Amino acid sequence: AQSVTQLGSHVSVSEGALVLLRCNYSSSVPPYLFWYVQYPNQGLQLLLKYTTGATLVKGINGFEAEFKKSETSFHLTKPSAHMSDAAEYFCAVTPSGGYNKLIFGAGTRLAVHP
Amino acid sequence: NAGVTQTPKFQVLKTGQSMTLQCAQDMNHNSMYWYRQDPGMGLRLIYYSASEGTTDKGEVPNGYNVSRLNKREFSLRLESAAPSQTSVYFCATLSGSALAYEQFFGPGTRLTVL
Repeated sequence: AQSVTQLGSHVSVSEGALVLLRCNYSSSVPPYLFWYVQYPNQGLQLLLKYTTGATLVKGINGFEAEFKKSETSFHLTKPSAHMSDAAEYFCAVTPSGGYNKLIFGAGTRLAVHP
Repeated sequence: NAGVTQTPKFQVLKTGQSMTLQCAQDMNHNSMYWYRQDPGMGLRLIYYSASEGTTDKGEVPNGYNVSRLNKREFSLRLESAAPSQTSVYFCATLSGSALAYEQFFGPGTRLTVL
């Protein structure tokens, strides 16, 4: 069955440090891949996505992710964390059977401390 | 444009009561979705509707029913609420073209069942 694994339910970094949030998926066909961010008591907002083309994708707020087919990974990075990056981050993929829905990972809560 | 709207924002029910969560979109998207979000479990798909007049079960449909009233509206009904249905519910739409593929989320409904 299709699955999405986010390693680490909680990640804590210092302000200015590298942010790395990990996402691995299982799929028999190249999927579409997404990272969403959720701030407290809000809905989900798209950070970035990969559908076709360049495997390194840039998103909002300085985040980027690289689709590595050989590693079935789509890790999210940001060179320098800001306090405002504290939120929950969700990785999502389209299932093997088609592109009509998304499967979400369990989420990673990012804390940024001074 | 309001995007995706949900009502109510908050609701408290007693076990066995029924209620309908409303979702409306002004994005002219064909596909609409209902998810529930629980701590540590990410978003799980309850039902979705690929187009007006069609609905399909997702990962966790038991205890729920849906109605796709027209292209704009997609409602979720709990016929006899149970404490296990305490959750945050999100409605979403899908822009499905490859270049513009994205799910858009409403602000959520926080439901507590006592």
